[in-house]
Amino acid sequence: DIVMTQTPSSQAVSAGEKVTMSCKSSQSLLYSENKKNYLAWYQQKPGQSPKLLISWASTRESGVPDRFIGSGSGTDFTLTISSVQAEDLAVYYCEQYYDTPWTFGGGTKLELK
Amino acid sequence: QVTLKESGPGMLQPSKTLSLTCSFSGFSLSTSGMVVSWIRQPSGKSLEWLAAIDWDGDKYYNPSLKSRLTVSKDTSNTQVFLKITSVDIADTATYYCARSRTGFDYWGQGVMVTVSS
Repeated sequence: DIVMTQTPSSQAVSAGEKVTMSCKSSQSLLYSENKKNYLAWYQQKPGQSPKLLISWASTRESGVPDRFIGSGSGTDFTLTISSVQAEDLAVYYCEQYYDTPWTFGGGTKLELK
Repeated sequence: QVTLKESGPGMLQPSKTLSLTCSFSGFSLSTSGMVVSWIRQPSGKSLEWLAAIDWDGDKYYNPSLKSRLTVSKDTSNTQVFLKITSVDIADTATYYCARSRTGFDYWGQGVMVTVSS
């Protein structure tokens, strides 16, 4: 199985702050034939289902604010929120869809400072 | 509009078989490339992908649970089912179904399942 490791597990932030969180995979998620990284980011607010924010490591889903930026390649990925808003307080998960079993990281919880 | 909704027993006893149904609309599972997955999340913990079935009827399972899982779909391609045999307390979780394409792009609201004697 591909192991997904997210750091930090929690982070206290203030509104307007720039936030970065990391996701590392135990093997490369870059498929050589199409040069795409099979990595997705999700946001989960309390009591809600996860919401897909970013696929292919850096492609925002329709309607996702442009303050959410996905980057990275291979085994190292980052989700950046350029200016955190109150509604962004949630748990963020990365997930690899390179190979089954599809696996998720442990999550990064954004809390209010 | 794509929607998915899970249904299940809510509570069941250890050693029983858990049966879950995912009813969906807004897409057809017969469309090439379409996949529906089951994912679960124990309270306060991360997500675990369990199983998937694709448009061609091919099935995919998490090896850690494969011997206990059966995924299937109905002939109208509007429902997907999951059975988990021999449940125990560790199977207590919220169970989600989700459409899988490039990641899981649409999720159901989840159904909470408690295993307790």
